[in-house]
Amino acid sequence: DAGITQSPRHKVTETGTPVTLRCHQTENHRYMYWYRQDPGHGLRLIHYSYGVKDTDKGEVSDGYSVSRSKTEDFLLTLESATSSQTSVYFCATQGLANEKLFFGSGTQLSVL
Amino acid sequence: AQKVTQAQTEISVVEKEDVTLDCVYETRDTTYYLFWYKQPPSGELVFLIRRNSFDEQNEISGRYSWNFQKSTSSFNFTITASQVVDSAVYFCTHMDSNYQLIWGAGTKLIIKP
Repeated sequence: DAGITQSPRHKVTETGTPVTLRCHQTENHRYMYWYRQDPGHGLRLIHYSYGVKDTDKGEVSDGYSVSRSKTEDFLLTLESATSSQTSVYFCATQGLANEKLFFGSGTQLSVL
Repeated sequence: AQKVTQAQTEISVVEKEDVTLDCVYETRDTTYYLFWYKQPPSGELVFLIRRNSFDEQNEISGRYSWNFQKSTSSFNFTITASQVVDSAVYFCTHMDSNYQLIWGAGTKLIIKP
Protein backbone atom coordinates (compact mmCIF):
# COMPACT_ATOMS: atom_id res chain seq x y z
CA ASP A 1 0.00 0.00 0.00
CA ALA A 2 1.07 3.53 -0.75
CA GLY A 3 2.16 5.47 2.29
CA ILE A 4 -0.34 8.31 2.44
CA THR A 5 -1.17 9.85 5.76
CA GLN A 6 -3.86 12.43 6.31
CA SER A 7 -4.05 14.50 9.46
CA PRO A 8 -6.12 15.08 11.38
CA ARG A 9 -8.50 12.18 10.86
CA HIS A 10 -11.35 14.04 12.48
CA LYS A 11 -11.88 17.69 13.20
CA VAL A 12 -14.71 19.77 14.54
CA THR A 13 -14.43 23.50 14.15
CA GLU A 14 -16.54 26.62 14.23
CA THR A 15 -17.68 28.75 11.35
CA GLY A 16 -15.18 31.43 10.46
CA THR A 17 -12.10 29.69 11.80
CA PRO A 18 -9.16 28.71 9.59
CA VAL A 19 -8.48 25.01 9.11
CA THR A 20 -5.53 23.22 7.55
CA LEU A 21 -5.56 19.60 6.51
CA ARG A 22 -2.31 17.84 5.80
CA CYS A 23 -1.47 15.07 3.39
CA HIS A 24 1.89 13.36 3.63
CA GLN A 25 3.15 10.74 1.21
CA THR A 26 6.23 8.55 1.21
CA GLU A 27 5.91 7.33 -2.39
CA ASN A 28 7.64 10.24 -4.10
CA HIS A 29 4.60 10.61 -6.35
CA ARG A 30 4.53 13.67 -8.53
CA TYR A 31 0.78 14.25 -8.54
CA MET A 32 -1.34 14.96 -5.49
CA TYR A 33 -5.02 15.73 -5.18
CA TRP A 34 -7.56 16.94 -2.67
CA TYR A 35 -11.12 15.71 -3.04
CA ARG A 36 -14.24 16.16 -0.99
CA GLN A 37 -16.92 13.53 -0.73
CA ASP A 38 -20.53 14.39 -0.04
CA PRO A 39 -23.62 12.18 -0.28
CA GLY A 40 -24.94 11.97 -3.84
CA HIS A 41 -21.91 13.71 -5.36
CA GLY A 42 -19.25 11.09 -5.51
CA LEU A 43 -15.82 12.67 -5.29
CA ARG A 44 -15.27 16.25 -6.36
CA LEU A 45 -11.85 17.68 -7.04
CA ILE A 46 -10.86 20.71 -4.98
CA HIS A 47 -7.26 21.33 -5.99
CA TYR A 48 -4.40 19.34 -7.38
CA SER A 49 -0.66 19.56 -7.72
CA TYR A 50 1.62 18.35 -10.48
CA GLY A 51 4.84 19.15 -8.69
CA VAL A 52 6.42 21.24 -5.98
CA LYS A 53 4.89 24.71 -6.02
CA ASP A 54 2.74 23.74 -9.04
CA THR A 55 -0.94 23.65 -8.20
CA ASP A 56 -4.21 24.19 -9.98
CA LYS A 57 -7.90 24.49 -9.20
CA GLY A 58 -10.45 21.76 -9.44
CA GLU A 59 -14.19 22.00 -9.89
CA VAL A 60 -14.99 23.09 -6.31
CA SER A 61 -12.03 25.27 -5.35
CA ASP A 62 -13.88 28.30 -3.96
CA GLY A 63 -13.06 28.81 -0.31
CA TYR A 64 -10.00 26.55 -0.42
CA SER A 65 -6.31 27.10 -1.00
CA VAL A 66 -3.41 24.67 -1.20
CA SER A 67 0.33 24.64 -0.92
CA ARG A 68 3.01 22.17 -1.84
CA SER A 69 6.46 23.19 -0.70
CA LYS A 70 7.83 19.66 -0.68
CA THR A 71 7.10 16.62 -2.81
CA GLU A 72 5.78 14.70 0.16
CA ASP A 73 3.39 17.28 1.62
CA PHE A 74 0.21 18.80 0.23
CA LEU A 75 -1.73 21.14 2.49
CA LEU A 76 -5.37 22.13 2.11
CA THR A 77 -6.49 25.30 3.88
CA LEU A 78 -9.94 26.59 4.52
CA GLU A 79 -9.30 30.25 5.22
CA SER A 80 -12.64 30.80 6.93
CA ALA A 81 -14.59 27.60 7.34
CA THR A 82 -18.30 27.52 6.52
CA SER A 83 -20.92 24.90 7.28
CA SER A 84 -21.06 23.99 3.58
CA GLN A 85 -17.50 22.75 3.91
CA THR A 86 -18.54 20.02 6.30
CA SER A 87 -17.45 16.95 4.39
CA VAL A 88 -15.05 14.06 4.17
CA TYR A 89 -11.80 15.11 2.57
CA PHE A 90 -9.56 12.69 0.74
CA CYS A 91 -6.02 13.16 -0.38
CA ALA A 92 -4.76 11.11 -3.30
CA THR A 93 -1.42 10.64 -5.02
CA GLN A 94 -0.43 9.41 -8.43
CA GLY A 95 2.90 8.46 -9.87
CA LEU A 96 2.20 9.04 -13.54
CA ALA A 97 -0.65 11.09 -14.95
CA ASN A 98 -2.56 8.16 -16.44
CA GLU A 99 -2.15 5.77 -13.56
CA LYS A 100 -4.42 4.84 -10.70
CA LEU A 101 -4.80 7.02 -7.64
CA PHE A 102 -3.75 6.02 -4.18
CA PHE A 103 -5.92 7.44 -1.44
CA GLY A 104 -5.41 8.45 2.15
CA SER A 105 -7.86 7.36 4.82
CA GLY A 106 -9.81 10.59 4.75
CA THR A 107 -10.51 13.45 7.15
CA GLN A 108 -13.98 13.97 8.54
CA LEU A 109 -14.43 17.72 8.96
CA SER A 110 -17.43 19.20 10.72
CA VAL A 111 -17.98 22.95 10.68
CA LEU A 112 -20.52 24.05 13.27
CA ALA B 1 -19.16 17.44 -21.75
CA GLN B 2 -17.41 14.44 -20.28
CA LYS B 3 -19.64 12.62 -17.88
CA VAL B 4 -19.92 9.34 -16.01
CA THR B 5 -23.33 7.96 -15.14
CA GLN B 6 -23.92 5.25 -12.60
CA ALA B 7 -27.68 5.02 -12.83
CA GLN B 8 -28.03 2.53 -9.99
CA THR B 9 -27.90 4.49 -6.77
CA GLU B 10 -28.30 1.41 -4.60
CA ILE B 11 -28.51 -2.31 -5.25
CA SER B 12 -29.44 -4.94 -2.70
CA VAL B 13 -29.00 -8.65 -3.35
CA VAL B 14 -28.79 -11.80 -1.34
CA GLU B 15 -25.43 -13.43 -0.88
CA LYS B 16 -24.31 -15.73 -3.71
CA GLU B 17 -26.34 -13.87 -6.30
CA ASP B 18 -24.58 -12.37 -9.28
CA VAL B 19 -24.81 -8.60 -9.59
CA THR B 20 -23.85 -6.14 -12.31
CA LEU B 21 -23.03 -2.50 -11.70
CA ASP B 22 -23.57 -0.27 -14.69
CA CYS B 23 -21.32 2.54 -15.84
CA VAL B 24 -21.95 4.69 -18.89
CA TYR B 25 -19.59 7.45 -19.89
CA GLU B 26 -19.65 10.33 -22.31
CA THR B 27 -16.42 11.41 -23.91
CA ARG B 28 -15.12 13.34 -26.87
CA ASP B 29 -11.69 11.76 -26.64
CA THR B 30 -10.36 8.80 -28.58
CA THR B 31 -7.73 8.13 -25.93
CA TYR B 32 -8.99 7.79 -22.39
CA TYR B 33 -8.91 5.54 -19.36
CA LEU B 34 -11.61 4.00 -17.22
CA PHE B 35 -11.31 2.94 -13.61
CA TRP B 36 -13.35 1.27 -10.92
CA TYR B 37 -12.78 1.97 -7.24
CA LYS B 38 -14.36 0.38 -4.19
CA GLN B 39 -15.21 2.12 -0.94
CA PRO B 40 -16.12 -0.35 1.81
CA PRO B 41 -17.94 0.78 4.96
CA SER B 42 -14.59 1.51 6.59
CA GLY B 43 -14.27 4.43 4.19
CA GLU B 44 -11.01 3.93 2.35
CA LEU B 45 -10.94 4.02 -1.45
CA VAL B 46 -9.45 1.01 -3.14
CA PHE B 47 -8.45 0.69 -6.77
CA LEU B 48 -9.98 -2.26 -8.64
CA ILE B 49 -9.18 -1.93 -12.33
CA ARG B 50 -7.85 0.39 -15.02
CA ARG B 51 -8.69 0.04 -18.68
CA ASN B 52 -7.47 2.15 -21.60
CA SER B 53 -9.69 2.99 -24.54
CA PHE B 54 -7.77 0.80 -26.96
CA ASP B 55 -8.20 -2.35 -24.95
CA GLU B 56 -11.73 -3.70 -25.19
CA GLN B 57 -10.82 -7.11 -23.92
CA ASN B 58 -12.96 -8.13 -20.98
CA GLU B 59 -11.19 -8.64 -17.70
CA ILE B 60 -11.80 -11.34 -15.13
CA SER B 61 -10.24 -11.39 -11.70
CA GLY B 62 -11.61 -14.09 -9.49
CA ARG B 63 -15.28 -13.33 -8.88
CA TYR B 64 -14.95 -9.90 -10.50
CA SER B 65 -15.33 -9.24 -14.20
CA TRP B 66 -15.52 -6.13 -16.31
CA ASN B 67 -17.21 -5.66 -19.66
CA PHE B 68 -15.95 -2.72 -21.69
CA GLN B 69 -17.95 -1.83 -24.80
CA LYS B 70 -16.94 1.29 -26.70
CA SER B 71 -19.96 0.95 -28.98
CA THR B 72 -22.27 1.65 -26.06
CA SER B 73 -19.77 3.70 -24.00
CA SER B 74 -20.17 1.33 -21.12
CA PHE B 75 -17.81 -0.25 -18.62
CA ASN B 76 -19.90 -2.55 -16.49
CA PHE B 77 -18.73 -4.46 -13.45
CA THR B 78 -20.06 -7.88 -12.47
CA ILE B 79 -19.58 -9.71 -9.20
CA THR B 80 -20.26 -13.41 -9.42
CA ALA B 81 -21.46 -15.30 -6.34
CA SER B 82 -21.53 -12.15 -4.24
CA GLN B 83 -20.35 -12.17 -0.64
CA VAL B 84 -21.18 -9.95 2.30
CA VAL B 85 -17.64 -8.54 2.12
CA ASP B 86 -18.47 -7.14 -1.31
CA SER B 87 -20.82 -4.64 0.33
CA ALA B 88 -19.43 -1.23 -0.53
CA VAL B 89 -19.89 1.82 -2.68
CA TYR B 90 -18.40 1.33 -6.11
CA PHE B 91 -17.23 4.22 -8.23
CA CYS B 92 -16.63 4.29 -11.96
CA THR B 93 -14.32 7.03 -13.25
CA HIS B 94 -13.25 8.33 -16.63
CA MET B 95 -9.86 9.93 -17.29
CA ASP B 96 -9.75 12.07 -20.40
CA SER B 97 -6.84 12.79 -22.74
CA ASN B 98 -5.75 15.62 -20.41
CA TYR B 99 -5.67 13.15 -17.52
CA GLN B 100 -8.62 14.82 -15.83
CA LEU B 101 -10.77 12.44 -13.82
CA ILE B 102 -14.54 12.53 -13.85
CA TRP B 103 -16.23 10.46 -11.15
CA GLY B 104 -19.59 8.79 -11.22
CA ALA B 105 -21.81 9.33 -8.21
CA GLY B 106 -21.28 5.76 -7.08
CA THR B 107 -23.44 2.69 -6.59
CA LYS B 108 -24.03 1.42 -3.09
CA LEU B 109 -24.05 -2.37 -3.11
CA ILE B 110 -25.63 -4.19 -0.21
CA ILE B 111 -25.12 -7.92 0.06
CA LYS B 112 -27.49 -9.54 2.52
CA PRO B 113 -26.49 -12.78 4.22
